[in-house]
Amino acid sequence: EAGVAQSPRYKIIEKRQSVAFWCNPISGHATLYWYQQILGQGPKLLIQFQNNGVVDDSQLPKDRFSAERLKGVDSTLKIQPAKLEDSAVYLCASSLDLGLGNNEQFFGPGTRLTVL
Amino acid sequence: GEDVEQSLFLSVREGDSSVINCTYTDSSSTYLYWYKQEPGAGLQLLTYIFSNMDMKQDQRLTVLLNKKDKHLSLRIADTQTGDSAIYFCAGGQAGTALIFGKGTTLSVSS
Repeated sequence: EAGVAQSPRYKIIEKRQSVAFWCNPISGHATLYWYQQILGQGPKLLIQFQNNGVVDDSQLPKDRFSAERLKGVDSTLKIQPAKLEDSAVYLCASSLDLGLGNNEQFFGPGTRLTVL
Repeated sequence: GEDVEQSLFLSVREGDSSVINCTYTDSSSTYLYWYKQEPGAGLQLLTYIFSNMDMKQDQRLTVLLNKKDKHLSLRIADTQTGDSAIYFCAGGQAGTALIFGKGTTLSVSS
């Protein structure tokens, strides 16, 4: 079974530029998460999708961050314009979410963003 | 909201046992997880425990949960150099995002 795919793996941009990340979850997984992991910290949720609908975007800085999952499969996360403090690893995770029991989240390798 | 605290570093010798500790604040977390992160890699689920359990053993891993004190621990028996990584404690409920601690860096020397 293929895992969660993310691209690009690394990105370096200057502040005020825009950037987009892509995630392809495990086939059949209804729920998709984007987490931001700043160096030395644990991952923190940015947005959660259930199929193509947003479940939780309360911690997404909506003035500069946007995300979509139009067909309920892959997803893109965009930052525009980027700030220095956006330098982090952006992790995508997916889960099957049958609504019962443990709902293991599978993580992709992440995209490491450096904003100069 | 939920807060998860972990000690930041642990250094052990190869063959010894490692114990990584975690405390959490939200008693509504129904599942508590341990993830491993190696350099440049994503998070790998090691094990999890349901909140009504006290202990779970899985090969070299033992998870202990003290729900009264909101304390979770991960014991790795016969620690190997390949166990060197960052270990994250996380809490959550089915279908919700996870709340992670800052991670404990485990260093194993030979």
